[in-house]
Amino acid sequence: QSALTQPASVSGSPGQSITISCTGTSSDVGGYNYVSWCQQHPGKAPKLMIYDVSKRPSGVSNRFSGSKSGNTASLTISGLQAEDEADYYCCSYTSSTFVAFGGGTKVTVL
Amino acid sequence: QVQLQESGPGLVKPSETLSLTCAVSGYSISSAYYWGWIRQPPGKGLEWIGSIYHSGSGSTYYNPSLKSRVTISTDSSKSQISLKLSSVTAADTAVYYCARHGGGNSIRYFDLWGRGTLVTVSS
Repeated sequence: QSALTQPASVSGSPGQSITISCTGTSSDVGGYNYVSWCQQHPGKAPKLMIYDVSKRPSGVSNRFSGSKSGNTASLTISGLQAEDEADYYCCSYTSSTFVAFGGGTKVTVL
Repeated sequence: QVQLQESGPGLVKPSETLSLTCAVSGYSISSAYYWGWIRQPPGKGLEWIGSIYHSGSGSTYYNPSLKSRVTISTDSSKSQISLKLSSVTAADTAVYYCARHGGGNSIRYFDLWGRGTLVTVSS
């Protein structure tokens, strides 16, 4: 059982926007601005898409954005494209176990 | 360009110790970054195992659920990070990744990942 809660799946049509939530507690998501998001295509290693809640690494499309409100962080993908179909994981620093991942969300492009 | 490459036995017997190595190229692991291990059971999500700054400082963080069985160390001369997991069971079957923590001297996020190596625990 993951420390951070994500929906199992989210879907959208090409061009639409989708949002993935990541819910934790005041000991992790809510207590620190250290939430990150990774994208993982089947059989591949995860790739960092967002760090420190809303910062994008160099080379990551600006269609990906992150935010946080209280104990819930969110990843929004705008202008959904077929290549965005993948699993997405949130990750947060926690005061109890140092690093926690969400259970992952499968994004399907309809 | 920094690259990470995991290696080690693909098959380990139950009750034995799993040993993996992560070779880092293009960067000195003695510099200001933490290095971590993460695993992913087949068809499941990511689980953090532990992270280390570098052996000189001895600064390590372990997942409390695995701490009693895990040892992470570094060999700066070989630019390698090692993982040892003792008393393995079938539940330890997973793809094991090594990764670098971004942000300098912190464990805030993982910015670089190896390709991972599958370890199966079976007799």
